[in-house]
Amino acid sequence: EIVLTQSPATLSLSPGERATLSCRASHSVSSYLAWYQQKPGQAPRLVIYDASNRATGIPARFSGSGSETDFTLTISRLEPEDFAVYYCQQRSDWPLTFGGGTKVEI
Amino acid sequence: EVQMLESGGGLVQPGASLRLSCAASGFSFSNYALSWIRQVPGKGLEWVSGISASGSTTFYADSMKGRFAISRDNFKNTLYLQLHSLRAEDSAIYYCAKVRVVGATTGPFDFWGQGALVTVSS
Repeated sequence: EIVLTQSPATLSLSPGERATLSCRASHSVSSYLAWYQQKPGQAPRLVIYDASNRATGIPARFSGSGSETDFTLTISRLEPEDFAVYYCQQRSDWPLTFGGGTKVEI
Repeated sequence: EVQMLESGGGLVQPGASLRLSCAASGFSFSNYALSWIRQVPGKGLEWVSGISASGSTTFYADSMKGRFAISRDNFKNTLYLQLHSLRAEDSAIYYCAKVRVVGATTGPFDFWGQGALVTVSS
């Protein structure tokens, strides 16, 4: 199974700052990587798919990059509503797997 | 508007069985693959099982293979997950989710239900 390792586990930042989240895959997943945002008590929300494509309704301050084994989610200027947990997910091979998550906190 | 509503969760004893349902609306149900994904409260996400749009192909995480069974009824627009031989470590919120595009089976998942809580305890 493809293991996804996210870092850091927690990112402590202030509104207006830039957030850079990392997801590393144990084997190449090509560009088949997605990012999800989850807030307390809510279901995850798709943010980025296929490494760099913003999902419907996602603001332009969110961007994704990377391929093969190294991926990055960048939030250019944090808004108060962006503080949440972010998960990466690979869809290159079964079983589908998620990373352990990065909490972006104030 | 896409809606996905899970039901069937609850408190069960170890070794028991349970069937979760996910009633969907707002999209052409029979055209989209679906998955179940679970989350222990306060922990990360774990993919459980997936099913193709037609229902002819199913996929499972290794630890659930043989104990869980995914199915769908494209006339009732409903996804199911039958859970057998439940263990304490199966306690989690179970989400149903749809893939973003027709023809995909592996995700990404653009709509999720709000989840059904399963608690396995004596």
